[in-house]
Amino acid sequence: ETGVTQTPRHLVMGMTNKKSLKCEQHLGHNAMYWYKQSAKKPLELMFVYSLEERVENNSVPSRFSPECPNSSHLFLHLHTLQPEDSALYLCASSQEAGTGVEQYFGPGTRLTVT
Amino acid sequence: AQSVTQLGSHVSVSEGALVLLRCNYSSSVPPYLFWYVQYPNQGLQLLLKYTTGATLVKGINGFEAEFKKSETSFHLTKPSAHMSDAAEYFCAVTQGRGVGNTPLVFGKGTRLSVIA
Repeated sequence: ETGVTQTPRHLVMGMTNKKSLKCEQHLGHNAMYWYKQSAKKPLELMFVYSLEERVENNSVPSRFSPECPNSSHLFLHLHTLQPEDSALYLCASSQEAGTGVEQYFGPGTRLTVT
Repeated sequence: AQSVTQLGSHVSVSEGALVLLRCNYSSSVPPYLFWYVQYPNQGLQLLLKYTTGATLVKGINGFEAEFKKSETSFHLTKPSAHMSDAAEYFCAVTQGRGVGNTPLVFGKGTRLSVIA
C-alpha cells in the first residue's frame, strides 16, 4: 500500500449504530487530519493530530470521536449520528502540522446515515 | 481569519480551449496558496502551490497559477483542456510559515467539464 488509505470506502449506518472509519498513511508523516466534505459546502476540517496528540478540534459534535494510536493510524468513531452527517469523510496526512505544508489525501469514506 | 472565494461553481470548456479557474483569497498575513484536484470517487491531489519566490508556479498535468498580491488572486490556468481534466478543483489558503499553526482553508470548489 502507498499513500493514504481509508476503509471502508462506503458505509451505510442507522442513527443508533456505532461504527468506525479507519485511515492509514504509509508516508512516514507526523500529522493526520479528518475532513468532512458535504455537497455544496467547503471542506470542513474536523480534527488535527500531530505526533498522536490532538492539536485542533473545530467544534465537532461529540458523536464524532477521533483516535490516533500512532502516527500512521487515525480512526473516527461514530455513534448516534444524524442524517445531516451523511458526507464524504476524507483523511489526510502531512510531514508536520505546520502551516504551508502539503497535505496528502486518502480516497475518502462515503457515509450515509439513514 | 482567512477565506477563499472560487468564482463559478461550474466551468465548461471545449477540448483544446483555455482553462481558467478563478480564486480570490483574503488573508491579513502573507499567504501560502494551493490548488487541489479531485477526480470522481477519489481524494484530493495537489496540483501546485505557492509559498515564496516566483509568483508564477507550474504544477502537474500542464496547469499553472499566478499569485497576484495586488489582486489577492491565484487563478489556475491551462492552455489546452483535455477530457481527462474534468474534475473538481479546490483552491486553498493558509498562513505563511512562521506565523502560527493554521490549517488549510478551502474554497467551495469549481467543477470543470470538458466538452469534446
